[in-house]
Formats: sequence, structure tokens, C-alpha cells
Amino acid sequence: QSVLTQPPSASGTPGQRVSISCSGTTSNIGSSAVSWYQQLPGTAPKLLIYNNNQRPSGVPDRFSGSKSGNTASLTISGLQAEDEADYYCSSYTSRTTLLVFGGGTELTVL
Amino acid sequence: EVQLVESGGGLVQPGGSLRLSCAASGFTFSNYWMSWVRQAPGKGLEWVANIKQDGSDKYYVDSVRGRFTVSRDNARNSLYLQMNILRAEDTAVYYCAREGGAGYSLDLWGQGTLVAVSS
Repeated sequence: QSVLTQPPSASGTPGQRVSISCSGTTSNIGSSAVSWYQQLPGTAPKLLIYNNNQRPSGVPDRFSGSKSGNTASLTISGLQAEDEADYYCSSYTSRTTLLVFGGGTELTVL
Repeated sequence: EVQLVESGGGLVQPGGSLRLSCAASGFTFSNYWMSWVRQAPGKGLEWVANIKQDGSDKYYVDSVRGRFTVSRDNARNSLYLQMNILRAEDTAVYYCAREGGAGYSLDLWGQGTLVAVSS
């Protein structure tokens, strides 16, 4: 069981707006920045969002992140077929393990 | 080209050892913390360990502490993971990753190397 909680699946049709939540505690999300990663089938993860809501160069502005208290969210606006992938949140934790991930959300574009 | 390339994976018996390598190129390796992250077959991501720029600080997930050792050679632009006393539950694809963004984000990943622990 992962330290950060994500819904196992999400779906939407092309053009829709989809949000994925990531729930933690005051020991992780509540006191640290959140990152989001996209993992396309058969490939390595790719950084999508860092520092809660910042996009690395090259990431479309359709992807946005937010955080409130112990919960973070990734929102994809204008969903596209190529967005079908697994999405993971992560955060620093003050526990003995330094970095934790959510269990991942499999996004299906219908 | 900015990239990370892992090597050293393979099949090993329970209780055995394996050393993974990660070759960095296209950026100043010695400027970055580096991490190892693993993914068991069909499962999610799990952070394993990381190491400071000069190798003076290292951190591990509880399940590998005492069995795995992370190290680096900045002259060779290389990161390593020495894995001892391997267990079946260590079976995974192991990725090396650069801690390049703010907030412990991993902004560059290798393609991964598969470690299978089985008799």
C-alpha cells in the first residue's frame, strides 16, 4: 500500500477535462512540494509537474497541478488520445524514507 | 544529448548480489543529487535510494537499508547501486534519475534495467 493515495483509474473522452487526486498527510504533501509523473506504456516515467504547479520546459499547458492542505491534484484540460498513460504523484516525507510515490492512476481516453 | 543509461541488470538467485550502473552524459553530473527508483512488474514506482552531489549523504527506503549501497564516481559520470542479499521482492525495473527540479522532483530518467531474483 502506497503512502500517497491516488484513484487506481480515471477516464475521459477527447477534449474533456480530467482531474487526478493525490492524498497524503502533514508529514508529506502537507509540508512539502508535490511532483507528478507521466508513464506511457513501456517507457520510463517523465516529469510532468514539479513544485506543486510548475511545468518543465516542453510540457503542454494542458497539464496543470495544484495543492491544498494534504491533497494535490493533476488536471488535464483538452484531453487527447496520447494522454493515455499512468500518472504518479510524489512528495518528500519527513519519515525515514525520503521520497514517496502514489500508487498510480491509469488514465484511459475513451 | 542529455541522458542516463542503466546497465547491470539480470537474473540472480535469492541471497545473491548484483551491481547496477548508470552512465550520465550531456550535463554536469557532479552538480546533482541522484536517485534510484524501482518498479516491480505491473506495479507502481518506489523510490529506493539517493546520494548527494559529493557522495557525503545517502538515504534509503527502509526495505533496502543495510542490503543496498548507493555510490557515485563523478570523474566517470557514473552512479551505482550495489545490491546484496537479494530477495524475490526486489524483482523490478530499476531506474536511475536526476534530482533536477525543485521539491525533490526527478527531471531526467534512464530507460531502466531489469533485475529478476529467482531460483
